[in-house]
Amino acid sequence: DGGITQSPKYLFRKEGQNVTLSCEQNLNHDAMYWYRQDPGQGLRLIYYSQIVNDFQKGDIAEGYSVSREKKESFPLTVTSAQKNPTAFYLCASSIRTGNPYEQYFGPGTRLTVT
Amino acid sequence: EDKVVQSPLSLVVHEGDTVTLNCSYEVTNFRSLLWYKQEKKAPTFLFMLTSSGIEKKSGRLSSILDKKELFSILNITATQTGDSAVYLCAVPTQGGSEKLVFGKGTKLTVNP
Repeated sequence: DGGITQSPKYLFRKEGQNVTLSCEQNLNHDAMYWYRQDPGQGLRLIYYSQIVNDFQKGDIAEGYSVSREKKESFPLTVTSAQKNPTAFYLCASSIRTGNPYEQYFGPGTRLTVT
Repeated sequence: EDKVVQSPLSLVVHEGDTVTLNCSYEVTNFRSLLWYKQEKKAPTFLFMLTSSGIEKKSGRLSSILDKKELFSILNITATQTGDSAVYLCAVPTQGGSEKLVFGKGTKLTVNP
């Protein structure tokens, strides 16, 4: 079964701790993305990567970091510098040719920081 | 700045009703507009529209784009409780061919 997996589904952390969210895809997609979704809000882009070992900041990158060492994996670290980390985080991927704008989403990770 | 505005933000209807969801956009270099359905977790792709006036249809869902007036509508006929979801509209931004900017979504609730 091809798809995108995110783990864990729910994550609880204390303020001041860094936390890493996992995102893996076996769709052979080149591009991967991280979005944040807050209640009543649309998706906001945190970081994206179009190719291995390369990534760009999205609209709300402050307080987050990513790596793209493998095509299949795009982990997101929420650092203690992120002022309001509690949110629903969605990972997505897309191919770079054909229909690049159709992004496939993972099931999401709900992060709660207290 | 590229942006997408959806209306209404929420909508409650009864099964069997027909609904129209709206999406207006401002983007420097328009290429396409996408609709997604988000039920509980992952948004799922519904339609991609690139040309004005050509309706895309999938079962009871249909969508059309007006590039002159810069908006799109998503119609759902004979609604069912399973249509209850947040419907998201998005457009690719100028910054990169794969970057999408999303609207806030329309939360549709279909009551039996």
